Amino acid sequence: ETGVTQTPRHLVMGMTNKKSLKCEQHLGHNAMYWYKQSAKKPLELMFVYSLEERVENNSVPSRFSPECPNSSHLFLHLHTLQPEDSALYLCASSQQADRGFADTQYFGPGTRLTVL
Amino acid sequence: GQNIDQPTEMTATEGAIVQINCTYQTSGFNGLFWYQQHAGEAPTFLSYNVLDGLEEKGRFSSFLSRSKGYSYLLLKELQMKDSASYLCAASDSNYQLIWGAGTKLIIKP
Repeated sequence: ETGVTQTPRHLVMGMTNKKSLKCEQHLGHNAMYWYKQSAKKPLELMFVYSLEERVENNSVPSRFSPECPNSSHLFLHLHTLQPEDSALYLCASSQQADRGFADTQYFGPGTRLTVL
Repeated sequence: GQNIDQPTEMTATEGAIVQINCTYQTSGFNGLFWYQQHAGEAPTFLSYNVLDGLEEKGRFSSFLSRSKGYSYLLLKELQMKDSASYLCAASDSNYQLIWGAGTKLIIKP
């Protein structure tokens, strides 16, 4: 148990559906992240929020839309996805501290997404 | 470009020692992380090195050489529960993590 929870754990959706992934962190951190993990590939950073403001968007298609209503919650809204979007979606949080040292990120268990 | 290389898969015997290597090329460098990820679970933090040298934490140790762009994770007295993927990630000049694809470690009795 890392203090980061994600729901749902598994999701199957059609290409015309709209769904949302939810992440909640109980660690008092001020930064939250969405990653995509595909088999045998490196983790791909999708979005970063620091103090509830989006600071990073790594050229993610607009069919993925993040929302961060407060420092403890993060959502990923999904619409008109493609089969190649099937992957494990991981949420992480960290406490951004003094510069000179990177922040340790703590991950949730992920949502296994299948797009039919 | 930025890149992390680590072996795709390794096999070791229960009770033995295994070393998982990682080489990195990043724009700037603010430290090197190792994470463990069991199948279907969250990656969990193992270690962080920002200075050259060896950091020991029980059965696990991590080494960093900044001049060589090289790190390794050393696992001693291997147990069956150590079967997992081990992820190497380097922090670049913007404190963004650049991830390797992970090394799947298989432990045999």
